[in-house]
Amino acid sequence: AQSVTQLGSHVSVSEGALVLLRCNYSSSVPPYLFWYVQYPNQGLQLLLKYTSAATLVKGINGFEAEFKKSETSFHLTKPSAHMSDAAEYFCAVSDQTAASKIIFGSGTRLSIRP
Amino acid sequence: DTGVSQNPRHKITKRGQNVTFRCDPISEHNRLYWYRQTLGQGPEFLTYFQNEAQLEKSRLLSDRFSAERPKGSFSTLEIQRTEQGDSAMYLCASSLAATGGYEQYFGPGTRLTVT
Repeated sequence: AQSVTQLGSHVSVSEGALVLLRCNYSSSVPPYLFWYVQYPNQGLQLLLKYTSAATLVKGINGFEAEFKKSETSFHLTKPSAHMSDAAEYFCAVSDQTAASKIIFGSGTRLSIRP
Repeated sequence: DTGVSQNPRHKITKRGQNVTFRCDPISEHNRLYWYRQTLGQGPEFLTYFQNEAQLEKSRLLSDRFSAERPKGSFSTLEIQRTEQGDSAMYLCASSLAATGGYEQYFGPGTRLTVT
């Protein structure tokens, strides 16, 4: 079975500050890991994905995440927050089969203070 | 490539009524997934198709729910005898198996409100 835990349902940072959203996963098989972003009343947009290649994954909008197997973590970071980053962020896991469903965490709402 | 589209975007219905949602995947994507998202939660998997075959269903998909993908292109999700607990955002996603299938592209969702 697979699961994802996102630490902190709400994170608030100042514009220009470091963004760190925490995600820990549980998987009995080698996982694929994802971060999705959801803006209000919109669908999910893929930010980045880990598929067993490089452990440091770079995504869109300046975000990156590092896969740490020893810590079962996949935290999302961005060096400098922008007002447009305010949204809901979901960490997700699937197994390494082509048809796998994705298991999502409960989400972290990111707020940006001016 | 216009992305995944879903219709309607919003649906308000009275308890006990039947509703049907439609999802049009990205053209040539052979896999199609349905998820449900309630307020403050992440999406939960409901079911998925490869071409026209429904290959997996979640325990969340009660017998009041039925999904079809008759020609391997668009899909419909029907909820019969709706209950207030069915109020949620219903998301559709598609992927292409040839690329490994792990990247799913999501539509904007259909928000269902049952009164």
